[in-house]
Amino acid sequence: KNEVEQSPQNLTAQEGEFITINCSYSVGISALHWLQQHPGGGIVSLFMLSSGKKKHGRLIATINIQEKHSSLHITASHPRDSAVYICAVSPISGTYKYIFGTGTRLKVLA
Amino acid sequence: GAGVSQSPRYKVTKRGQDVALRCDPISGHVSLYWYRQALGQGPEFLTYFNYEAQQDKSGLPNDRFSAERPEGSISTLTIQRTEQRDSAMYRCASSFDSWRETQYFGPGTRLLVL
Repeated sequence: KNEVEQSPQNLTAQEGEFITINCSYSVGISALHWLQQHPGGGIVSLFMLSSGKKKHGRLIATINIQEKHSSLHITASHPRDSAVYICAVSPISGTYKYIFGTGTRLKVLA
Repeated sequence: GAGVSQSPRYKVTKRGQDVALRCDPISGHVSLYWYRQALGQGPEFLTYFNYEAQQDKSGLPNDRFSAERPEGSISTLTIQRTEQRDSAMYRCASSFDSWRETQYFGPGTRLLVL
């Protein structure tokens, strides 16, 4: 079992839909990160969370430390949101290391 | 530069050859990380530098892999006697400091070993 699990693995949505991507982890963490990998391969950091909720534009990330679970929400999705969304954690044992989930491939159709 | 840069972006080599992958982190970033990403998978940690010191190399798969950062800036990941299973995207990231800092990723070097 991977230490960081994401669901779903693949997601297709219609433009305008509300999207939720889930991440569960099994290790103690100091922070959780949501990353976006573009079709061209570049990786961009979206959020770093250690508690609560963060919002940036149409993106919202939440984390429940007790349940070891985080969600990434996209409101009013758009085709340009199509990408792979990766959850990664910084474990307490080695804070500098990211442990990555396998990613959720999102495709938003016009 | 404005972001993390890596070179080459693509490398095709024959099995048994040595390759050197370069990472130029964001100016002033103390910490530098190397990851390997197989197709369809998330990146996996290889090694980490704080300034020029290699603090953790536990993710390097075997002794054919080595990395250095002699002046605490540019880093080179070297793979000796490449094998087909080494084919992957090799990503570099840097952060201002290691403690709970966001890592900024480079574009990656896609390595193909024939």
